[in-house]
Amino acid sequence: DAGITQSPRHKVTETGTPVTLRCHQTENHRYMYWYRQDPGHGLRLIHYSYGVKDTDKGEVSDGYSVSRSKTEDFLLTLESATSSQTSVYFCAISDYDEQYFGPGTRLTVT
Amino acid sequence: QKEVEQDPGPLSVPEGAIVSLNCTYSNSAFQYFMWYRQYSRKGPELLMYTYSSGNKEDGRFTAQVDKSSKYISLFIRDSQPSDSATYLCAGSNFGNEKLTFGTGTRLTIIP
Repeated sequence: DAGITQSPRHKVTETGTPVTLRCHQTENHRYMYWYRQDPGHGLRLIHYSYGVKDTDKGEVSDGYSVSRSKTEDFLLTLESATSSQTSVYFCAISDYDEQYFGPGTRLTVT
Repeated sequence: QKEVEQDPGPLSVPEGAIVSLNCTYSNSAFQYFMWYRQYSRKGPELLMYTYSSGNKEDGRFTAQVDKSSKYISLFIRDSQPSDSATYLCAGSNFGNEKLTFGTGTRLTIIP
């Protein structure tokens, strides 16, 4: 998985609780991304980062925030989880052209 | 209308057949096109990456892009059971920026 790890790999949480997902890379790539994957929708971009402390919104950013204080780490936070945020979350990294994906985090909000 | 449309399948073909997977897109600014393969409960794996129009071949895989018709294709020759997976197409304005994905086509190769 191109030196990308995601934690946790699985999580079950209750509606209204905060959740933070972590993406860690060992490739020293500049760009990092968070996507969610849902049946019938495919992969959709939530947020991305083009450098330390530089982030921007994607297609489905409402309800999510991100932070990147180090090149290797990109955090995705659900401030108050809702059932509609039940999904599989993928982190991706890129330097120039191709994007490489991590193994994913399966999040269930009950 | 979604920016990238892809028939979700499922598609089943016998081992050894040629597989054709297709996507259409609507964003004329797309310059970069990718095909990813995703096995069940795994992350997407980059298969093919092309810039602008034309063909690109890598082993049994050939990617085609026709920007005039906004049509992208992936051909798999001599298909194997190990090719059974979901195939995702994607486009972007710049290769390292936001990718827009199709919903994926589930492919099964029957031994």
